Amino acid sequence: DTGVSQNPRHKITKRGQNVTFRCDPISEHNRLYWYRQTLGQGPEFLTYFQNEAQLEKSRLLSDRFSAERPKGSFSTLEIQRTEQGDSAMYLCASSGEAGEIEAFFGQGTRLTVV
Amino acid sequence: GESVGLHLPTLSVQEGDNSIINCAYSNSASDYFIWYKQESGKGPQFIIDIRSNMDKRQGQRVTVLLNKTVKHLSLQIAATQPGDSAVYFCAENRGNTPLVFGKGTRLSVIA
Repeated sequence: DTGVSQNPRHKITKRGQNVTFRCDPISEHNRLYWYRQTLGQGPEFLTYFQNEAQLEKSRLLSDRFSAERPKGSFSTLEIQRTEQGDSAMYLCASSGEAGEIEAFFGQGTRLTVV
Repeated sequence: GESVGLHLPTLSVQEGDNSIINCAYSNSASDYFIWYKQESGKGPQFIIDIRSNMDKRQGQRVTVLLNKTVKHLSLQIAATQPGDSAVYFCAENRGNTPLVFGKGTRLSVIA
């Protein structure tokens, strides 16, 4: 296992389109986190899963954002009706039982909405 | 409101010198503080963490100091190398709540 994998690395989309990003965590990790990062800022927490259960989603930016982890392995983050303000880096991280303290991050998906 | 922030947005150091990156926090209830390094186009990489009941922790070429009296955290990098050039974030962990990241400091190493 080479770490947390995110696809695609880059995504350019037109405003109003839907986009979906995928995250494959480290295989033995049961926790998976999604963050958003804008230029010059630290990552901003969006949501997280323990196995297939989404334990925190109140930080999702709007009802256009949703995330799934149907089998407790990979996860997807979907943004519907994208807006220019959604342009950012979307980061995924995974961890074991120790939680975010030992989270490993993927390289992110950079979204540009034009 | 409660926040984690940084004193300086940019820091330039000569190769071989020591670097000190600072961070101020406002929530005294935090359990852990963590430093991350983020290189261009990559996700944050864990460097070192420190529990709130500790004052100092050392790693390989890095030392984190925690001063709870003034709510200040610092990351010291010894003998800074060009590969240390990156953005450094401090983050705060408060039990089961999500990590709170600061804004970041860009470290540039001058050869």
